[in-house]
Amino acid sequence: GAGVSQSPSNKVTEKGKDVELRCDPISGHTALYWYRQRLGQGLEFLIYFQGNSAPDKSGLPSDRFSAERTGESVSTLTIQRTQQEDSAVYLCASSTRDRNIQYFGAGTRLSVL
Amino acid sequence: SQQGEEDPQALSIQEGENATMNCSYKTSINNLQWYRQNSGRGLVHLILIRSNEREKHSGRLRVTLDTSKKSSSLLITASRAADTASYFCATDRGSARQLTFGSGTQLTVLP
Repeated sequence: GAGVSQSPSNKVTEKGKDVELRCDPISGHTALYWYRQRLGQGLEFLIYFQGNSAPDKSGLPSDRFSAERTGESVSTLTIQRTQQEDSAVYLCASSTRDRNIQYFGAGTRLSVL
Repeated sequence: SQQGEEDPQALSIQEGENATMNCSYKTSINNLQWYRQNSGRGLVHLILIRSNEREKHSGRLRVTLDTSKKSSSLLITASRAADTASYFCATDRGSARQLTFGSGTQLTVLP
């Protein structure tokens, strides 16, 4: 597709359940990023993938959060045992290797009840 | 954690007026970018300014960067109702590629 695609667009879950969020980056973009945005705030970095290199996980807030990416394709962000404070919009972005202009998806709005 | 702050937090102007938003950051940077966000969803890149640049223009946008003060400003000239959105500055530094975002300015342009 032409842009970064994220699914689902909205997710409502119960506290304690696991959720999986998906991101399809722009074709040819080697770098992929996950960010979290709480209501009315800026974006917080979560994790960064660059090609086949080890990911930078320095932004993950707890061990309940994990992410995977196979090569330069789809990535999934998994949140285990969700808590109410996990409620936020989760945004994915991709970029080329040589230029750090990031292209964002529309995000997944996660609501934990 | 967020790199810095933006001010004002909210700005309301009439169509045709100029809008100025400011961003401050805390550490040395490679680049500073401005992004726009409509309706709390995806962000759209507006402009990038490198740390060795002082001013950059793109259409109705003018960005300045003062590395000695660790601050940047975004000027939107001749604003339109369609410019209504949240505007964020974002920085990258060192070898890290991830962006550190400011808290954003909510701009409302009244028709």
